[in-house]
Amino acid sequence: NAGVTQTPKFQVLKTGQSMTLQCAQDMNHEYMSWYRQDPGMGLRLIHYSVGAGITDQGEVPNGYNVSRSTTEDFPLRLLSAAPSQTSVYFCASSTLGAPKEKLFFGSGTQLSVL
Amino acid sequence: RKEVEQDPGPFNVPEGATVAFNCTYSNSASQSFFWYRQDCRKEPKLLMSVYSSGNEDGRFTAQLNRASQYISLLIRDSKLSDSATYLCVVKDYGNKLVFGAGTILRVKS
Repeated sequence: NAGVTQTPKFQVLKTGQSMTLQCAQDMNHEYMSWYRQDPGMGLRLIHYSVGAGITDQGEVPNGYNVSRSTTEDFPLRLLSAAPSQTSVYFCASSTLGAPKEKLFFGSGTQLSVL
Repeated sequence: RKEVEQDPGPFNVPEGATVAFNCTYSNSASQSFFWYRQDCRKEPKLLMSVYSSGNEDGRFTAQLNRASQYISLLIRDSKLSDSATYLCVVKDYGNKLVFGAGTILRVKS
């Protein structure tokens, strides 16, 4: 099993450009989520999904879109990149329901918006 | 007020020391609690879940105090390899997992 595969690892964008961060998991997890991590602020939830066809907003959803057309994939779209979106992005997945709620993370994407 | 708050540290301790971190949460309806470990520039990894009765895993002990709305992590006999950022995670309503900003631990020889 590959676990959670997140691409790309690094990306530089110009203000106003759009792009999609890819996330795929092969563990048949119901729950998938996107976080951004900024210095001193920890991980903040952007969007999450509890199953195919179901998405919901997290703490900082503005400027981002998600979709969940399959159980495996949960892409994150930046509609019009802004410098404030410079951050490290992590995708994570898990099963639902204790005690199997261990989050599996992708290796992260370092995004810089100039 | 943040949903999950942690002392950012850093906690600088010598090898062999015992160190404890606390984490407070604001939502009394929170359901599940976890400690994650994050090494520099790496993804977070689950260290342990926190159960109501408290639980231990080797040198690590986690406890939950629902009345005061905090969880704690105790590390005994600290090793150099314990140096990392420790993240408190709370499962809120609707399956939302909320992370604290993390506590930095530096273990020195």
